[in-house]
Amino acid sequence: SAVISQKPSRDICQRGTSLTIQCQVDSQVTMMFWYRQQPGQSLTLIATANQGSEATYESGFVIDKFPISRPNLTFSTLTVSNMSPEDSSIYLCSVASSGRQTGELFFGEGSRLTVL
Amino acid sequence: AQSVTQLGSHVSVSEGALVLLRCNYSSSVPPYLFWYVQYPNQGLQLLLKYTTGATLVKGINGFEAEFKKSETSFHLTKPSAHMSDAAEYFCAVSEGAGNMLTFGGGTRLMVKP
Repeated sequence: SAVISQKPSRDICQRGTSLTIQCQVDSQVTMMFWYRQQPGQSLTLIATANQGSEATYESGFVIDKFPISRPNLTFSTLTVSNMSPEDSSIYLCSVASSGRQTGELFFGEGSRLTVL
Repeated sequence: AQSVTQLGSHVSVSEGALVLLRCNYSSSVPPYLFWYVQYPNQGLQLLLKYTTGATLVKGINGFEAEFKKSETSFHLTKPSAHMSDAAEYFCAVSEGAGNMLTFGGGTRLMVKP
């Protein structure tokens, strides 16, 4: 398993500002995934963050809006840039298990952003 | 490409009644299948998973699911609902270990006294 800590757990932001979400894992992992959960909706993958290379973004998400850093195997950040009310969501960091891969992803508690 | 469909965005059962949450998937490769639960204001917790082997898998809190390849389904059941089961349930599929998960739309389970 993996223990994932996200900061901030929640925040209220002003339109036009940017916010960086941090994700810390208690073990080294190869791939980290960033998901978005809009109010009352399911989870949508934003991007896959690999250490030492550019993140891979899903359709509908771009690096300018959601820049991602992955400086080492236990840490990643997701920035939500130039925020608008439509960006109000829960952003979740997730990882596959370290060591023997068993298929499931482990999730942080999420960062709940409200944009006014 | 893979996708997941959960029939019924809201399901309401009485306490003690059978819980049945439906999940159908599509995948171009043998799938890994998962059910996650999300309690209010919390992250996602794995209930159970199917990767290979026995098609009936048991998870935490008395839940189980059966992988039916012919029906491309992975429905979640629990014989007797408890008030504490009220939550959002997500079915997900992946193409193997270490890969991203694709989630269904979620089903909100409500349990009536």
